[in-house]
Amino acid sequence: GNSVTQMEGPVTLSEEAFLTINCTYTATGYPSLFWYVQYPGEGLQLLLKATKADDKGSNKGFEATYRKETTSFHLEKGSVQVSDSAVYFCALSSNDYKLSFGAGTTVTVRA
Amino acid sequence: NAGVTQTPKFQVLKTGQSMTLQCAQDMNHNSMYWYRQDPGMGLRLIYYSASEGTTDKGEVPNGYNVSRLNKREFSLRLESAAPSQTSVYFCASSDPGLAGGPPEQFFGPGTRLTVL
Repeated sequence: GNSVTQMEGPVTLSEEAFLTINCTYTATGYPSLFWYVQYPGEGLQLLLKATKADDKGSNKGFEATYRKETTSFHLEKGSVQVSDSAVYFCALSSNDYKLSFGAGTTVTVRA
Repeated sequence: NAGVTQTPKFQVLKTGQSMTLQCAQDMNHNSMYWYRQDPGMGLRLIYYSASEGTTDKGEVPNGYNVSRLNKREFSLRLESAAPSQTSVYFCASSDPGLAGGPPEQFFGPGTRLTVL
């Protein structure tokens, strides 16, 4: 079956630091990959996605590249802000509409 | 557009009580989902409805029932609540992605349920 493993948090950073959150997956076929973000007290929002190998998803300064050879989709941002404090979820979707989520990584950015 | 709305926002139940969580979406989406979010476990799918009139079990359906009342509304019922059902519940909706791509799921703000 499908599964997603992402690095455990919490992660605490200073403003303008580099952020990376590792995500690896196991899936049948060729899944689509996603990063969702959950700000405090809110539901999840799609941050970025990639649908095939070597695709790069990007949004709000965040990037992730679909690496089929390493079954990974690591999230990166070059210079984080306090407003990036949130929980980040890696997820995948195979041929159906269902999403499989990782456990989530809590990121706190300090001024 | 309100997107996906959920009621109530918070609820406290005693073991054995029943309740229904309500979800509605105004995006004319065909598919709707119920997830629960527990610390360290991400979101797990409870039930989903691929289209109006159909429902299917997800990863953790035991202790829950659902009703797809119409295209807009998808409710989740706990018939006899247990402490293990203490969680945050999220409803989501989606439509097929553009050009056959993956659908984006849109999430509601969640319901925080405590069962004593």
